[in-house]
Parts: sequence; structure tokens; C-alpha cells
Amino acid sequence: IAGITQAPTSQILAAGRRMTLRCTQDMRHNAMYWYRQDLGLGLRLIHYSNTAGTTGKGEVPDGYSVSRANTDDFPLTLASAVPSQTSVYFCASSDRPGSRGKHDGYTFGSGTRLTVV
Amino acid sequence: QKEVEQNSGPLSVPEGAIASLNCTYSDRGSQSFFWYRQYSGKSPELIMSIYSNGDKEDGRFTAQLNKASQYVSLLIRDSQPSDSATYLCAVINQAGTALIFGKGTTLSVSS
Repeated sequence: IAGITQAPTSQILAAGRRMTLRCTQDMRHNAMYWYRQDLGLGLRLIHYSNTAGTTGKGEVPDGYSVSRANTDDFPLTLASAVPSQTSVYFCASSDRPGSRGKHDGYTFGSGTRLTVV
Repeated sequence: QKEVEQNSGPLSVPEGAIASLNCTYSDRGSQSFFWYRQYSGKSPELIMSIYSNGDKEDGRFTAQLNKASQYVSLLIRDSQPSDSATYLCAVINQAGTALIFGKGTTLSVSS
């Protein structure tokens, strides 16, 4: 089934540990995104990538890094986790980079629920 | 200043009624607008996109866009209990690099 796969589904992580959230898509979409969703704050963009080899910072990038070595994979790394990074993380993709003209909607993965203790 | 604003709700409607969800945005240059539905514990699901002023209908859903008023809405006709979810309004950001989401409106349809 075409779509986005995120792993792990959930994780409890000790503060200070390093963690990589995985995201893989099989739709050959050019653009990929990482959002976090917190109660009362909604979905906020962490990092994005318009195409393989390029990345950019979103609204809340501090404490997170990404890479885009190929079209399909877009991992998100927490170098040293802190409790404020407890959240639900969603990876998304779209079949063309953002533009101020018409833009297709995003496809979302099922999310990773991360708890930092 | 948040770029996309929605009433958080909850919005409660009886089964069979019309549910009206509203959204305002701050960037007058925005060209692409979306409505997502998110069930509790699930990921957002795209249900409507709209690009031009006026109405766009898809089944029981109608999206309405008024760029002069920077307003976009979603009407759900013949509401069903299965429509109970959080509805997210989203707009392309100023840089054109990503969607900016409102915080969502929670809809509850009672049978």
C-alpha cells in the first residue's frame, strides 16, 4: 500500500539520549516534512525538504536535525532529548515543493508518540 | 501572530444538521487552502482543497473561500456521528515551503 511509514510507533526515552525517528515514503514525492503536534498548540513545522539533498528550518527547529540523502527517506534526529520534546511527531510528503501558486495537499504518516522522561 | 485562526470548539450539532467550520488567515498572498480531518489518535487526512474564490463541493462537504475577507469555511451537510473529529484548516506559508495549520475545531455530532 503506497504511503508513508513512520517508526517507531511510540517510544519512551530518557532525557539526554539521542533518538532518530524514521520516515519512509514510496510515492516518489519530492517534498517531505516533519511536524510536531501538541495539545493546545496544533501542528507546528520542525523541518522540511523540498527535494533530495536539501533541507530547511520550520517554525520550531531547535533541538532537531534532519537529512535527505534520497527521495524516500527523511529521518528526524533528536541529539539530546529533553522533556519539552515530548510530543506526537508526524512525517508528511507532497508531490511537489511548496509554491505560492496551486499546491497539492500533504499525505501524513501515522505518527510517532514520543515521551521524554 | 498566528497565521491561521480557528475556533477550537467544541462545535456540537445533531445528526442530519449542517455543521459550519470557519477559518481566517493573515497572508493575503496565500493561494492554496486545505481542510484536514483528524480522528482522535490518528493522523490528519486531507478532505478538501480550494484555490479560487467561491464554493467547491465534494459529496457532503463544501469548502468556501473569500480571499478579500481572508476567510475559508467548510460546510458538512447531513452530519453523521462518524464526522465527529477535529477539523484542521491549513494554508501555504509566506515562503511557499510548507502548510501552516490552525489549531483545529472539534466537531461532535450526536445521534
